[in-house]
Amino acid sequence: GQNIDQPTEMTATEGAIVQINCTYQTSGFNGLFWYQQHAGEAPTFLSYNVLDGLEEKGRFSSFLSRSKGYSYLLLKELQMKDSASYLCAVRDRSGGYQKVTFGTGTKLQVIP
Amino acid sequence: EAGVAQSPRYKIIEKRQSVAFWCNPISGHATLYWYQQILGQGPKLLIQFQNNGVVDDSQLPKDRFSAERLKGVDSTLKIQPAKLEDSAVYLCASSLAGGSGVYEQYFGPGTRLTVT
Repeated sequence: GQNIDQPTEMTATEGAIVQINCTYQTSGFNGLFWYQQHAGEAPTFLSYNVLDGLEEKGRFSSFLSRSKGYSYLLLKELQMKDSASYLCAVRDRSGGYQKVTFGTGTKLQVIP
Repeated sequence: EAGVAQSPRYKIIEKRQSVAFWCNPISGHATLYWYQQILGQGPKLLIQFQNNGVVDDSQLPKDRFSAERLKGVDSTLKIQPAKLEDSAVYLCASSLAGGSGVYEQYFGPGTRLTVT
């Protein structure tokens, strides 16, 4: 099985930088996703990491360390519209098929 | 490109009644997922289909939940009989299938179920 851990809530100021951490344990790691979910809406894909290192996409970056079972999502120049839940999801293929497990999500509140 | 379609968007039923949800995935997506998301939690996988075959239903409460994906396209999820704890948003998602690609999931708008 998989164990995914991320903080429940975070608060940050508009214009600032925030880092959301995710730790995981899995036996057949095959990629880590970050999704954004605004209240009352469906999750939308933000980023994917399968190799160690940093992936940058505009104001959002995602980092992965497979040896440490650790990832973070970095949000720069925070905007009010970034207030949402951020879901870390790990893909595993130890069971003979691709299985994705979601964490509980980190609710980010951006304040003026 | 059309997204994942779900219906109904909202449903209110009494406990012990039955309910069914429908999902139409993105054309060409072989993998279809049904998730249950309780308020404040992450999505919990109920069942995963590859084409019309089930690859994972380990967390589906099979005494009351059932799902099918006929012809490898549309899918329905049924609850019979419903319990109060089934109140949640039911999300359908689809993705391409394969070995080593990104294959991110695309989610439908969800069905918000309230059991009274």
